[in-house]
Amino acid sequence: DTAVSQTPKYLVTQMGNDKSIKCEQNLGHDTMYWYKQDSKKFLKIMFSYNNKELIINETVPNRFSPKSPDKAHLNLHINSLELGDSAVYFCASSPQERGVQTQYFGPGTRLLVL
Amino acid sequence: QQQVKQSPQSLIVQKGGISIINCAYENTAFDYFPWYQQFPGKGPALLIAIRPDVSEKKEGRFTISFNKSAKQFSLHIMDSQPGDSATYFCAASGGSNYKLTFGKGTLLTVNP
Repeated sequence: DTAVSQTPKYLVTQMGNDKSIKCEQNLGHDTMYWYKQDSKKFLKIMFSYNNKELIINETVPNRFSPKSPDKAHLNLHINSLELGDSAVYFCASSPQERGVQTQYFGPGTRLLVL
Repeated sequence: QQQVKQSPQSLIVQKGGISIINCAYENTAFDYFPWYQQFPGKGPALLIAIRPDVSEKKEGRFTISFNKSAKQFSLHIMDSQPGDSATYFCAASGGSNYKLTFGKGTLLTVNP
């Protein structure tokens, strides 16, 4: 009964390729996020969706495009992969309730661009 | 601009000792301060959180101390255990978009 799941867990690909990472949450939350964790463990938010609507869009290259087909899913598509995209990408979700701001993270997708 | 500054970057503690990690923030609009724990190969998980209307919150061996005037908060782990070895992140958020701003993390190693 995984709360926030991501696929794939590992992704090894060549520079220039296009790849997608999928995320699903079964917690009934309204808000979902994508984070990037670099080799120094720094966690940086990339995007956030609330009920399929984009609410946070940090300074991220437009090669990265999130897509939310419904409020339980938030996918991340990356075009023209670069070496610097190698990182761990985490999906997270949280309820959209006043005073409840806990974010629940998925297990991560380890992306290696060669 | 780093809005949440965390120190130390790494910490080594003996079993049974006290681990202390500090964070400072700049944005006075922040009103929620969680700590996340991350084990190798796993996603971060909420450990404990505090709001600025209290100065301290304790859950088991974990305590957050909060100083609103100094814009600082810290995590204390009492009776540290080898199983506590992980990376700890402080974070802060405020406003309506629930965006969490994370500190850079502290790698805690508890020696047996």
